[in-house]
Amino acid sequence: GAGVSQSPSNKVTEKGKDVELRCDPISGHTALYWYRQSLGQGLEFLIYFQGNSAPDKSGLPSDRFSAERTGGSVSTLTIQRTQQEDSAVYLCASSLDGLYTGELFFGEGSRLTVL
Amino acid sequence: GNSVTQMEGPVTLSEEAFLTINCTYTATGYPSLFWYVQYPGEGLQLLLKATKADDKGSNKGFEATYRKETTSFHLEKGSVQVSDSAVYFCALNSGGYQKVTFGTGTKLQVIP
Repeated sequence: GAGVSQSPSNKVTEKGKDVELRCDPISGHTALYWYRQSLGQGLEFLIYFQGNSAPDKSGLPSDRFSAERTGGSVSTLTIQRTQQEDSAVYLCASSLDGLYTGELFFGEGSRLTVL
Repeated sequence: GNSVTQMEGPVTLSEEAFLTINCTYTATGYPSLFWYVQYPGEGLQLLLKATKADDKGSNKGFEATYRKETTSFHLEKGSVQVSDSAVYFCALNSGGYQKVTFGTGTKLQVIP
């Protein structure tokens, strides 16, 4: 597609349920990133993919969070047994080659609300 | 570790006023510096960047100069418009890949 696509755009769930958030990056972009944006906070890095591998998972806040990327394209972020503190906007970004001087292209985010 | 500190908002300006949003950073090595902007209802997008000391990034009338001596990358615009109302994020990257560190964002509101 023309840009980074994320779904769902909004998700309301009950505490304890599992959720999956999907990211479809720009075609041909090898690098993919997940960030979390909470109210009044900056963007918190979660995980980075280069191709299908994740060389840096250091930002995942707990073992309830996991992510995968298949075919060097679509990525899914899964949150198990959601907690209220997981409520945030989850942003996905992609870049052409992952070089540190380059531009990140962001999706519009998935807003997660845990009741 | 790396960190970015930017002025808290919201910042409210009248149209045609001069804008400065301060940004300072802490980083190892020689980071690349960025300003991203998030317009209402849209995703973040790159506004400008500078990849080495004394470089000036510019776009859409906005400018920022990479000042290594003061570890700063302040965003400026000479005459803001209502359409500039958005949240502005300062960011840096000093890694071998794009683990970009973002500031908390500064909301700008421009009133006619």
